[in-house]
Amino acid sequence: SQTIHQWPATLVQPVGSPLSLECTVEGTSNPNLYWYRQAAGRGLQLLFYSVGIGQISSEVPQNLSASRPQDRQFILSSKKLLLSDSGFYLCAWSRQVDYGYTFGSGTRLTVV
Amino acid sequence: DQQVKQNSPSLSVQEGRISILNCDYTNSMFDYFLWYKKYPAEGPTFLISISSIKDKNEDGRFTVFLNKSAKHLSLHIVPSQPGDSAVYFCAASAGANNLFFGTGTRLTVIP
Repeated sequence: SQTIHQWPATLVQPVGSPLSLECTVEGTSNPNLYWYRQAAGRGLQLLFYSVGIGQISSEVPQNLSASRPQDRQFILSSKKLLLSDSGFYLCAWSRQVDYGYTFGSGTRLTVV
Repeated sequence: DQQVKQNSPSLSVQEGRISILNCDYTNSMFDYFLWYKKYPAEGPTFLISISSIKDKNEDGRFTVFLNKSAKHLSLHIVPSQPGDSAVYFCAASAGANNLFFGTGTRLTVIP
C-alpha cells in the first residue's frame, strides 16, 4: 500500500532562518507531488506541484522553493523565512491518471 | 482569485440531523469534484467525489450533489454524528494535475 511521510510535525523558526521540509512517498512510482499551505482563515493554497524528477511548477510567487531530487521525494525550502510564512504545510501525492490526493500529516510552521 | 468557494465558515448541527455543506465554483472547466475532511493537526482525508457527468453520488451516510448549471455542489451527511465534527474542504479539478480547494467549513455536531 502507498504511504506518505512528512516531517517534522512542528517547527518553530526565527525570521530570516532557512527552511527545509521533506516529504517522501512509498509504494508507488512516478507520483504527482504537491505542496499546499493552509494559513489562518484561508483554504488550502497550492504552492508547488511536480509531475517528475526535477520538474517543478510554482503556483504562487513567494520566497519558497521546491525540489524533487528523487522520484518519491519532494522538498520545500526557503533561504530566509518571513513571518508570513507561518502556516500548516501539507504534502500530497496522486497517481498520474487519478484525481484524488493523499495528504501527509502536515507540518505546523511558526516563524517568530 | 478563489475559484472554489465555501461561503459558510462554520456549521452546527444536532446529532442525528442532516448536515449540508455547500460549495460554489466559478471555473466551468472543472470536471471532477471532491470533498475532504480534516481534523486539527492532520492532513485532509478523502471523503467522496463526483464526476461532472453525474449529479449525485452516494456513499453510506455521505451524498454529494452537483448542479452544473448553478456551479454548485453540496455534501449531505445523514445522520450526523459527533465524530463528523471536522473541517470539510471542497475541491475541484479541470485536469489530472491540480486540485483547487475551498476555504473550508467547520462542522460541529452537537451530541
